[in-house]
Amino acid sequence: GENVEQHPSTLSVQEGDSAVIKCTYSDSASNYFPWYKQELGKGPQLIIDIRSNVGEKKDQRIAVTLNKTAKHFSLHITETQPEDSAVYFCAASRSGGGADGLTFGKGTHLIIQP
Amino acid sequence: DAGVIQSPRHEVTEMGQEVTLRCKPISGHNSLFWYRQTMMRGLELLIYFNNNVPIDDSGMPEDRFSAKMPNASFSTLKIQPSEPRDSAVYFCASSTGRNTEAFFGQGTRLTVV
Repeated sequence: GENVEQHPSTLSVQEGDSAVIKCTYSDSASNYFPWYKQELGKGPQLIIDIRSNVGEKKDQRIAVTLNKTAKHFSLHITETQPEDSAVYFCAASRSGGGADGLTFGKGTHLIIQP
Repeated sequence: DAGVIQSPRHEVTEMGQEVTLRCKPISGHNSLFWYRQTMMRGLELLIYFNNNVPIDDSGMPEDRFSAKMPNASFSTLKIQPSEPRDSAVYFCASSTGRNTEAFFGQGTRLTVV
């Protein structure tokens, strides 16, 4: 089955700086890579996703890159703000996650220092 | 839409008791997933349904766990008998199918004492 590794487990950055979280996956058949943000006491919420037919996707301050050859993908958050503090999860799926479920990384606790 | 609705939000039960967690997916979604979240193991997929049919239950940890989806708007996850190591947050998620986003509920925090 799929195995997703995520690093770092904790990331502390100064407000306004950039944050980068990296993930690797093992199943070359995976073709959908979403990122979820989880705030305390809430369920994970999708913030951005990328499919295997593109190498990069951007949405305002958030961007994701995908290297299929190396089987790794990364989340980039620029101009970090206090409300970005949360736990972020990467995930991988063979079918867009909508039909076959997601394999998650262990999560990164992002702390934005004022 | 109110999103994926789970109940109860919190459940405390004694070891050996039966526990039933409930989920109402988003209307029109035909895929439903049950996940478990713990500090040690993170988010794990337990089972998922497509069009009310269980497709893959390989993530269900033991025979003590069972899940049903009697119709498109309701699913249950049952643990019988419960054990302290079942303590976790259980999430239900739904989606419209292949290549679409999975929406998560708020979760049920289960504590077995």
